[in-house]
Amino acid sequence: DVKVTQSSRYLVKRTGEKVFLECVQDMDHENMFWYRQDPGLGLRLIYFSYDVKMKEKGDIPEGYSVSREKKERFSLILESASTNQTSMYLCASSPRDRELYNEQFFGPGTRLTVL
Amino acid sequence: AQTVTQSQPEMSVQEAETVTLSCTYDTSESDYYLFWYKQPPSRQMILVIRQEAYKQQNATENRFSVNFQKAAKSFSLKISDSQLGDAAMYFCAYRSYSGGATNKLIFGTGTLLAVQP
Repeated sequence: DVKVTQSSRYLVKRTGEKVFLECVQDMDHENMFWYRQDPGLGLRLIYFSYDVKMKEKGDIPEGYSVSREKKERFSLILESASTNQTSMYLCASSPRDRELYNEQFFGPGTRLTVL
Repeated sequence: AQTVTQSQPEMSVQEAETVTLSCTYDTSESDYYLFWYKQPPSRQMILVIRQEAYKQQNATENRFSVNFQKAAKSFSLKISDSQLGDAAMYFCAYRSYSGGATNKLIFGTGTLLAVQP
């Protein structure tokens, strides 16, 4: 089974702190994604990566950065956490092959609270 | 830009009954994929069913089926013989066929389904 893991299920940080959210997948997928999930807004794409060291902005990249130094690991960084970044963060991965319909496999999520 | 709309924030169904969740989308593209994802409480999101826009036949996966109306840009999910384990948040999602290998998904806002015993 494909497994996508995230470093924490729950995280509480203070305003201004630098926050790292880690995601690891074990299926050798090329694509990895970071979303945030908010009630009434669904899932919104923050950043995605289609290869090691490659990244592209999603729909809401402001206040976030990412790092992908190894194929299996994709990190989301909040340079200076703010209260409006309190949210559920979901990581996902998928193979690149279009013929596989590119199903995305999701991690369990990290619920981040910024005080 | 493509958009996905789920107009039912919450739905409720009796166990063993049938329920239909609605999804509409807006696109100018002719080729694309549509998906329904399920997010159970405190559990990981999983794919329920997918539909390729070029296929006229509606997709079916066991008790889950879709009603895909391309002209109307509608993609509803029907759950038959509802079970307690079907209780979850359901998200409709769109993916452009021309999006290349990076397969970005556009999600709706979700429908929270409750199943009453």
